Amino acid sequence: GAVVSQHPSWVICKSGTSVKIECRSLDFQATTMFWYRQFPKQSLMLMATSNEGSKATYEQGVEKDKFLINHASLTLSTLTVTSAHPEDSSFYICSALTGEDTEAFFGQGTRLTVV
Amino acid sequence: GQNIDQPTEMTATEGAIVQINCTYQTSGFNGLFWYQQHAGEAPTFLSYNVLDGLEEKGRFSSFLSRSKGYSYLLLKELQMKDSASYLCAVNKEYGNKLVFGAGTILRVKS
Repeated sequence: GAVVSQHPSWVICKSGTSVKIECRSLDFQATTMFWYRQFPKQSLMLMATSNEGSKATYEQGVEKDKFLINHASLTLSTLTVTSAHPEDSSFYICSALTGEDTEAFFGQGTRLTVV
Repeated sequence: GQNIDQPTEMTATEGAIVQINCTYQTSGFNGLFWYQQHAGEAPTFLSYNVLDGLEEKGRFSSFLSRSKGYSYLLLKELQMKDSASYLCAVNKEYGNKLVFGAGTILRVKS
């Protein structure tokens, strides 16, 4: 099956700093990638849809200036959490579509802890 | 709004059969997915239904009734490794924009 790699798996950062999370499709080209956030014991919440070569589409309530998404190539999308605060601590997961669009493959997730 | 409901927790015995239900009310519908998620890991794909009926895949089967806004995941011959959270997700529009339920934590006991 298709492989999506997310890096880092976990990161601890200080309040006020920025953190970049990478999502790569290793063996396919992904025109569309999705970024989710999951708080403990809660559902995955879609944050934004990332399309290669264009601006990301953010879900209602997600601050686009705080969560910067760049989809510079067909195999890489990045999420940068800017000026991180403890309430941004969460599990961030990306997924990518293959050309068939019936199944999205998920990365391993990144656990972000802001101290 | 979007509403996807699943039971919070279920417990079943090794070797048994368990059914996890999911009801949904979404603004659009382009298929329903079931994912398995172990604690601290990303979800892994189990099944996809876009038409009414039953889809079988080894020990796992998934059923969909679009008119009732209802799906279930059936797990047979339960194994301890099946202990995980099971997520129901609706693709509400073309392009795999998924809305997830909160997940059902399944505990398999020996």
